[in-house]
Amino acid sequence: DVKVTQSSRYLVKRTGEKVFLECVQDMDHENMFWYRQDPGLGLRLIYFSYDVKMKEKGDIPEGYSVSREKKERFSLILESASTNQTSMYLCASSLRGGGFNYGYTFGSGTRLTVV
Amino acid sequence: GQNIDQPTEMTATEGAIVQINCTYQTSGFNGLFWYQQHAGEAPTFLSYNVLDGLEEKGRFSSFLSRSKGYSYLLLKELQMKDSASYLCAVRAGSSNTGKLIFGQGTTLQVKP
Repeated sequence: DVKVTQSSRYLVKRTGEKVFLECVQDMDHENMFWYRQDPGLGLRLIYFSYDVKMKEKGDIPEGYSVSREKKERFSLILESASTNQTSMYLCASSLRGGGFNYGYTFGSGTRLTVV
Repeated sequence: GQNIDQPTEMTATEGAIVQINCTYQTSGFNGLFWYQQHAGEAPTFLSYNVLDGLEEKGRFSSFLSRSKGYSYLLLKELQMKDSASYLCAVRAGSSNTGKLIFGQGTTLQVKP
């Protein structure tokens, strides 16, 4: 069964902490994405990567950075966590070409609370 | 700008038919997707349209009109387990990167 695995389901962090969210996929997908999901706002793209060591900003990159050192792993980093970064974070992956007819495979999400 | 609109909430009765609409304005179009997301779970793929017309898959169908920037998801013979959020997403940019833009989602409640 193909998978996108996010390392934590729930996280509670303090304001100002550096936070790492990890995502691993076993489908040999080229593209990987980080979204956050908030009520009334839907999924908003933070960063994406279409190859190892490549990254591009999405719609809301401020306060975040990413790392992709290996094809299967895409990490989201909150440099200094703030309460407005409390959210559900979803990782996704797809084939180059966008996974022609199925789009993304999503991880189960990490619900991050910053206190 | 990029904009995808869908109703926030809908309610329907078990056994009935419901249609969830989605309108979009994007710079470029390379396919439209519908995902289902149960509370606390990851979104899962339901359907994909890239050409105008209706795609049918069991109880679920999805329609696309590119000229109108419009799609709908049709759910027939509703079951209680269909209570979920339904996400409309457009692949607007390069097909190589496959980046999707999502609407805010429609929360469907199915009542007995």
